[in-house]
Amino acid sequence: QKEVEQDPGPLSVPEGAIVSLNCTYSNSAFQYFMWYRQYSRKGPELLMYTYSSGNKEDGRFTAQVDKSSKYISLFIRDSQPSDSATYLCAMKTGTNAGKSTFGDGTTLTVKP
Amino acid sequence: NAGVTQTPKFRVLKTGQSMTLLCAQDMNHEYMYWYRQDPGMGLRLIHYSVGEGTTAKGEVPDGYNVSRLKKQNFLLGLESAAPSQTSVYFCASSLAGWDTEAFFGQGTRLTVV
Repeated sequence: QKEVEQDPGPLSVPEGAIVSLNCTYSNSAFQYFMWYRQYSRKGPELLMYTYSSGNKEDGRFTAQVDKSSKYISLFIRDSQPSDSATYLCAMKTGTNAGKSTFGDGTTLTVKP
Repeated sequence: NAGVTQTPKFRVLKTGQSMTLLCAQDMNHEYMYWYRQDPGMGLRLIHYSVGEGTTAKGEVPDGYNVSRLKKQNFLLGLESAAPSQTSVYFCASSLAGWDTEAFFGQGTRLTVV
């Protein structure tokens, strides 16, 4: 079983929709939770970075962490065609040379 | 400030050939990583380095070697390429510490025929 499982997608939504992207994990040592956005044929770029349970908001993006359920989510409000990309969740412990464990990614398409 | 730069961007190799992928960062980062990404899969760690002169194995190290002779460079070598090594390779770097962001390069698309 993988340490990090991500909803596979693909996901296609109309412009303006609310998008929910989700990951579950099995390693209770994970303390830092990230969401990366990866455009086609580009490298991943960090979108959101959270520590501990709770919500973190940045513009149209909200990252939610529930450590008791080992579940994280990324919400995108008022989705735009420019949000079309693959979203990768990633997690790391407080040690281990900063190595991250990634989900397989969810490809999102926002249609105008 | 270029961030993380990978060379080359594309390469086609024949089975059994060797090559070296170069990763260079200009952010004075201590940690550097090599990942591979295959279709429908996330990033899998090949090797990493926590400082100049150090290297360590990641999740999928077989068939690869690395060197970190200079702090700003991290080289990934394939001694005898196999079709199973066809992938997109990403290099990343981060400051030392567990609460820091990783910055990624643009990737190298490698095809082994």
